[in-house]
Amino acid sequence: GAVVSQHPSWVICKSGTSVKIECRSLDFQATTMFWYRQFPKQSLMLMATSNEGSKATYEQGVEKDKFLINHASLTLSTLTVTSAHPEDSSFYICSASRDSRAEAFFGQGTRLTVV
Amino acid sequence: LAKTTQPISMDSYEGQEVNITCSHNNIATNDYITWYQQFPSQGPRFIIQGYKTKVTNEVASLFIPADRKSSTLSLPRVSLSDTAVYYCLVGDYSGGYNKLIFGAGTRLAVHP
Repeated sequence: GAVVSQHPSWVICKSGTSVKIECRSLDFQATTMFWYRQFPKQSLMLMATSNEGSKATYEQGVEKDKFLINHASLTLSTLTVTSAHPEDSSFYICSASRDSRAEAFFGQGTRLTVV
Repeated sequence: LAKTTQPISMDSYEGQEVNITCSHNNIATNDYITWYQQFPSQGPRFIIQGYKTKVTNEVASLFIPADRKSSTLSLPRVSLSDTAVYYCLVGDYSGGYNKLIFGAGTRLAVHP
C-alpha cells in the first residue's frame, strides 16, 4: 500500500522555539494532505487541510499563525509549530491519499514535547 | 459530514469474533463508510471501506444494512495484537479530497 512518512518521529524543544514536522508521500503524489493533532486518550482532531501550491485551510479554532503549513511539492507538506509552548505538546499526524476516492494513509505521527 | 456513534470500549478474548457497531443516522447518499485501527503512538491504519451490503478483506468484514444508518466491523478470531482503538468514519470523497473527521472511537481490549 501507499506510504506516508513523517519526520521526526519525536522531538523535544524548549518553550518559545519553533519546530518543523515533515510529511511525505513516498510512492504517490498528493495534492492534498491533512494535519491532525491527538492528545493522550483522545481522538484525532483535524487541524488543517494542506493544499499543494496554495494556502492551507484551517479548521475553526486552529491558529494559522501558530501552525504554519507549507505544501511546496506534490509529495511534501510541512507543519511548523511556532513559538511552541508546553500546551502544544501533542501527537501530530498527517494523512494523504492518492485521489479523492482512495483510502487515506497516515504517517506514523510525531510526538512533540515542549519543555 | 455525518456524525458517528460507537461504543466507547469493548472487551474480548483471544480467538473470539468481535463485532463493533457504528451508528451514522445522517449518512448521505454519496457517503462511504471507512474503518481505521490505531495503536498507541502510531498513526491510524486503514482496515476496510464500504458503501453498502458486505465487504470482506483479509483482515475484516464490514456489514452495512440496506438503510446504511449503521455498520458493523467484524474481526474474526481476534488476538492480543488486535488490542487497539477502532474508528468508524463516514465521508463523501467525491468532493476532491479525503477529509476525515474522527469520532471518539472504540477501545478494544483483547484478553488472553
